[in-house]
Amino acid sequence: QKEVEQNSGPLSVPEGAIASLNCTYSDRGSQSFFWYRQYSGKSPELIMFIYSNGDKEDGRFTAQLNKASQYVSLLIRDSQPSDSATYLCAVKSITGNQFYFGTGTSLTVIP
Amino acid sequence: DTGVSQDPRHKITKRGQNVTFRCDPISEHNRLYWYRQTLGQGPEFLTYFQNEAQLEKSRLLSDRFSAERPKGSFSTLEIQRTEQGDSAMYLCASSSRGSNSPLHFGNGTRLTVT
Repeated sequence: QKEVEQNSGPLSVPEGAIASLNCTYSDRGSQSFFWYRQYSGKSPELIMFIYSNGDKEDGRFTAQLNKASQYVSLLIRDSQPSDSATYLCAVKSITGNQFYFGTGTSLTVIP
Repeated sequence: DTGVSQDPRHKITKRGQNVTFRCDPISEHNRLYWYRQTLGQGPEFLTYFQNEAQLEKSRLLSDRFSAERPKGSFSTLEIQRTEQGDSAMYLCASSSRGSNSPLHFGNGTRLTVT
């Protein structure tokens, strides 16, 4: 079982819609969770991080964490074509030394 | 904040040659990571430094790979006797001391082994 699992997609949504990206993790002791956006040929860039159960909002982005279900999600409201990218979920290990990444979900926002 | 810097951006080499990549982390970050990423995959952990100490190394990393971080500042990743399977994006990232601190990535070095 992989430490972090994501649906690879591709996920397509029309411009202005809500995009929902999901991630599950296997280490129940994990404490820190991160979402990165990666454009084709570029390196990952941090979008959001979340540590506590519940929702965390930052502009058009909302991260949701449910530690009991070992599930973290990212919602993108009012999706824009510029949001088209691969979204990587990352989980920091309980030892705090390693970050485990999912394979990423490819998102396309259709104008 | 100058960000994480990696050099070179691209490297094309012939099979069997040695290559070395450099990473300069964000200056106040004491933790430095190397990852490898191939097409359609997420970043794969290679190794981790805290200051100058290499604390973890992936079991997937063969003996052809070695990394150093002298004086706890910049780091180098060397691949000896390169193979075509080494072709990938090599990503360096740094983070600060806090237990919840995120990774900040450099632009990566794209290696092509012919």
